[in-house]
Amino acid sequence: EPEVTQTPSHQVTQMGQEVILRCVPISNHLYFYWYRQILGQKVEFLVSFYNNEISEKSEIFDDQFSVERPDGSNFTLKIRSTKLEDSAMYFCASLHTDTQYFGPGTRLTVL
Amino acid sequence: AQSVTQLGSHVSVSEGALVLLRCNYSSSVPPYLFWYVQYPNQGLQLLLKYTSAATLVKGINGFEAEFKKSETSFHLTKPSAHMSDAAEYFCAVSDGANFGNEKLTFGTGTRLTIIP
Repeated sequence: EPEVTQTPSHQVTQMGQEVILRCVPISNHLYFYWYRQILGQKVEFLVSFYNNEISEKSEIFDDQFSVERPDGSNFTLKIRSTKLEDSAMYFCASLHTDTQYFGPGTRLTVL
Repeated sequence: AQSVTQLGSHVSVSEGALVLLRCNYSSSVPPYLFWYVQYPNQGLQLLLKYTSAATLVKGINGFEAEFKKSETSFHLTKPSAHMSDAAEYFCAVSDGANFGNEKLTFGTGTRLTIIP
C-alpha cells in the first residue's frame, strides 16, 4: 500500500540555522499539507499546497517558513532561521478523495 | 471557524471493557469528521471517517463512531478493549463544503491506557 514518506526521521540543529524537511507524498495525490505537533500538544495545521501554490497557511507559518515542490515527487518545508520554539514533530500529509494520509513525521530538535 | 473538543485527556479502561472516547465539534458548515490514532513514536493513522454518508461509521481494529448532528458529537467506541489499543487518539474536523480538501483542525487528543 502506498505511503507518505518523510526524511530525516530526526533532525538536530542549532538555533539560527536553516533546515529543510522532506516529504514524498503518495503519487497521484494533488493536495499536500504540513502540520506540526509540539511535544505534549495537539497537531496544528501549518500550510496547504495545491497546483504549485500555497492554498492556505496558518498564523504559525510566517516569513521564516516556505514550502516547495521542487520536482514531481518531493514536497519540502524550509525553516530559514530556526528558533528554540520550532522544536516539534513535523508531519506531511497528502490528500486522496476526502482523506489526508500522514507520513511518520520528522522530529526537529533546535538547540 | 471550526473546532474540536475532546473530553478527557487520559482514559483508562480494563482489557475487555468498553472503550468510549468523546469528541464534540463546532462547524459552520456540514463537517467531515475523522479519528486518527498515534502509537508511540509513530505518525497518524486514520481509524475512520464521516463524510456525510452513513452516520454510523466503522473503522479499523473494531472501532466505530456515530455522527450525531443534534449533539454535535462524533464519539469513538470499541466494545472490547485490547492491550494493543493503547495509544493517543485524535478527533479532527475539516470543511466538507470544499470536498474535504480543507485543513484538518485537531482536538487535543486522548491518551488511552489499557489495564491488564
